[in-house]
Amino acid sequence: GENVEQHPSTLSVQEGDSAVIKCTYSDSASNYFPWYKQELGKGPQLIIDIRSNVGEKKDQRIAVTLNKTAKHFSLHITETQPEDSAVYFCAASIQGAQKLVFGQGTRLTINP
Amino acid sequence: GAVVSQHPSWVICKSGTSVKIECRSLDFQATTMFWYRQFPKQSLMLMATSNEGSKATYEQGVEKDKFLINHASLTLSTLTVTSAHPEDSSFYICSAAFAYEQYFGPGTRLTVT
Repeated sequence: GENVEQHPSTLSVQEGDSAVIKCTYSDSASNYFPWYKQELGKGPQLIIDIRSNVGEKKDQRIAVTLNKTAKHFSLHITETQPEDSAVYFCAASIQGAQKLVFGQGTRLTINP
Repeated sequence: GAVVSQHPSWVICKSGTSVKIECRSLDFQATTMFWYRQFPKQSLMLMATSNEGSKATYEQGVEKDKFLINHASLTLSTLTVTSAHPEDSSFYICSAAFAYEQYFGPGTRLTVT
């Protein structure tokens, strides 16, 4: 079955700098790659997603890139702010938005 | 749009009792809902897929007789943890697929004493 690896497990950046989180997946049939932000004690919140027919997608300060050949995708956050501090999870699915397999998570800390 | 709610947000129960958690899609109909379990500082693990009007599909290693799932309508799925034990203490999160995306509820913290 699908396996998703996420790195790094923790990331600390200065406010205003950029943060990059990377994920690799194992099943070449995967076609949907969402990113979720989870704050302490809350459920995950979808922040951006990308599908296999697109190489890059951007939404204001957040962007996701997908390399299907290498089977990896990345989350880029620019001009980081303290409220960006949270745990971020990547996921992959071969059934669209159905059965998601999650990465291990990255705890992002933005230092003021 | 695409809001998913859960009730209760936290619950404490005694060992051996059963607990029911509700998951509702508030502004859309969800033919498929999902139940996840998350231990502290760990990732989300899919427990089962809940389909409206049919039996749930459980992931390998999840006891279907212990974690009862009912998808009674297009806006409601319930998870009942039967004969709960301390090792069942965890954060339970539901989600629903809508418009080719998956949206999550706020989670339910279960503590079994």
